[in-house]
Amino acid sequence: GAVVSQHPSWVICKSGTSVKIECRSLDFQATTMFWYRQFPKQSLMLMATSNEGSKATYEQGVEKDKFLINHASLTLSTLTVTSAHPEDSSFYICSARELGQRNSPLHFGNGTRLTVT
Amino acid sequence: KQEVTQIPAALSVPEGENLVLNCSFTDSAIYNLQWFRQDPGKGLTSLLLIQSSQREQTSGRLNASLDKSSGRSTLYIAASQPGDSATYLCAVRPSSGGATNKLIFGTGTLLAVQP
Repeated sequence: GAVVSQHPSWVICKSGTSVKIECRSLDFQATTMFWYRQFPKQSLMLMATSNEGSKATYEQGVEKDKFLINHASLTLSTLTVTSAHPEDSSFYICSARELGQRNSPLHFGNGTRLTVT
Repeated sequence: KQEVTQIPAALSVPEGENLVLNCSFTDSAIYNLQWFRQDPGKGLTSLLLIQSSQREQTSGRLNASLDKSSGRSTLYIAASQPGDSATYLCAVRPSSGGATNKLIFGTGTLLAVQP
């Protein structure tokens, strides 16, 4: 089955530093990947849609200069949290849909637990 | 604006019991509905995907139904096991309003199956 690999699975960083999270589709190509954020005991909220070869589309209220998204190939999207602050501590999950499969299920990575001290 | 609600928020049952989780959504304009399982601190595992034209999908002990007109879906788990303990999320993919690529998630049902 389709596998999405997310790295790292957890990271602790100091306030003011930047953190990069990678999302890879291992056995399929994805022109579109999605980045979600989940706060404790809450559901997933879409942050942005990552499009291969073009700019990401951000949801309302998500700062594009703070959460930099790069989708340079059909199998890799990265999310960089710039100048991280404690309030950015959260669980970040990426997902991807197989190229050309508009109605297929989304496949999710295992998430990245970010803790900013 | 599409809103997805899951009831109950938490459920505890003894092992072996059959159970039903409920999901409701406010806008029937959807491509599909997907049920996921999330273990603590982990990502999501897709359980079942129901297209808007379908009424139900089955996988092993799981059966999901969809009544698009009434905005409801149920996930039926037969003969529950302690290993089924997790948070179950439903999500809809809107087919209108310019948001056709995203999934909108419910808040989940935390299931505990007691041995």
